Amino acid sequence: QQPVQSPQAVILREGEDAVINCSSSKALYSVHWYRQKHGEAPVFLMILLKGGEQKGHEKISASFNEKKQQSSLYLTASQLSYSGTYFCGTAGGTSYGKLTFGQGTILTVHP
Amino acid sequence: DTEVTQTPKHLVMGMTNKKSLKCEQHMGHRAMYWYKQKAKKPPELMFVYSYEKLSINESVPSRFSPECPNSSLLNLHLHALQPEDSALYLCASSQPGTRQETQYFGPGTRLLVL
Repeated sequence: QQPVQSPQAVILREGEDAVINCSSSKALYSVHWYRQKHGEAPVFLMILLKGGEQKGHEKISASFNEKKQQSSLYLTASQLSYSGTYFCGTAGGTSYGKLTFGQGTILTVHP
Repeated sequence: DTEVTQTPKHLVMGMTNKKSLKCEQHMGHRAMYWYKQKAKKPPELMFVYSYEKLSINESVPSRFSPECPNSSLLNLHLHALQPEDSALYLCASSQPGTRQETQYFGPGTRLLVL
């Protein structure tokens, strides 16, 4: 079952913060975050494996609440290069490699 | 090196043509994937090969035929496609068997069926 992302789109000015949420109705074993720019391949950002785990990558971090089956991606002090579509991919059970992607969140950062 | 390469970058074919998409990775990964992505939609899983064996077929029509000749290569053979099959076809690879299994995507082949 496809995870649900919110918001569907967000527009920011450089330096502003954003949060993208991903929730699932099924138990999750891992959440994978990707960013895809127009006409390009999805680029892996990070993977969350444990409940309550928080990971960081430069000014992009994420959390995973296993009990609530939710993950959030935090983008702080956004840069123009952050623009793109963000997808969460979820895996459950023993099919570690089978990711189901959310519908995506379009992030646009303006100067 | 986290590179997955795909050829061709663009492909235009008629509904009676036969063509193939190619994917290659040199990361030593033993799982490879084909995804289909329509504009403004997420990637949709088509096939998964694990240790060169087809492990998942997401009820894909038989006009799409995958092949994994060895652990580094993945092909997708196309025959008698329909215009609605026009999309970006993405290949990915990963090292299977752990919860930290991360998929790395290639740049994709943009397919147009006329």
